[in-house]
Amino acid sequence: GQQLNQSPQSMFIQEGEDVSMNCTSSSIFNTWLWYKQDPGEGPVLLIALYKAGELTSNGRLTAQFGITRKDSFLNISASIPSDVGIYFCAGTSYTGANSKLTFGKGITLSVRP
Amino acid sequence: GAVVSQHPSWVICKSGTSVKIECRSLDFQATTMFWYRQFPKQSLMLMATSNEGSKATYEQGVEKDKFLINHASLTLSTLTVTSAHPEDSSFYICSAVLVSYEQYFGPGTRLTVT
Repeated sequence: GQQLNQSPQSMFIQEGEDVSMNCTSSSIFNTWLWYKQDPGEGPVLLIALYKAGELTSNGRLTAQFGITRKDSFLNISASIPSDVGIYFCAGTSYTGANSKLTFGKGITLSVRP
Repeated sequence: GAVVSQHPSWVICKSGTSVKIECRSLDFQATTMFWYRQFPKQSLMLMATSNEGSKATYEQGVEKDKFLINHASLTLSTLTVTSAHPEDSSFYICSAVLVSYEQYFGPGTRLTVT
């Protein structure tokens, strides 16, 4: 089946640093989404990408839909302690609406003050 | 906007009993909702797709008779875990589709079966 690869499993950065995480797939995806999950909570949608090459920002977060349609990256600039959490990429390769999402395994981000 | 709630947020039940979890889209209507299960330090595992007015579509390996899903209205889907056993203990999360492929998630329900 389809899989999204996220690595490393964990990242440790210093407060104020930028961090970039990527997500890759062996097959083409039509949509990429990035979610953040805090412990004991549901994932929160950060950014949704719909077109190859699309670059979208949401505050300090920037995400891009790779031109090959097989990857996406999320960049967090000037990290702060509340950026701690698990970041999941998700995508769909179907063309119909309300399609199921394939999720990556997530990257746990730790921010040292 | 795009707020999804779940109730209860946590529940403890005895083995053999049934538990119902509600998922509501508070400020939008959702034709489609999804139910996921998440184990500690793991990603989300899709259990089923819930479509308003029709039967749910279950993922391979998910027992439809054990996990009953009802999507009675455009703002409410329920998941009932029947004859719960300790191995059913998990974090259950629902999501609702607002537009296109964007799923908005509820806060999750922690189920503990003793």
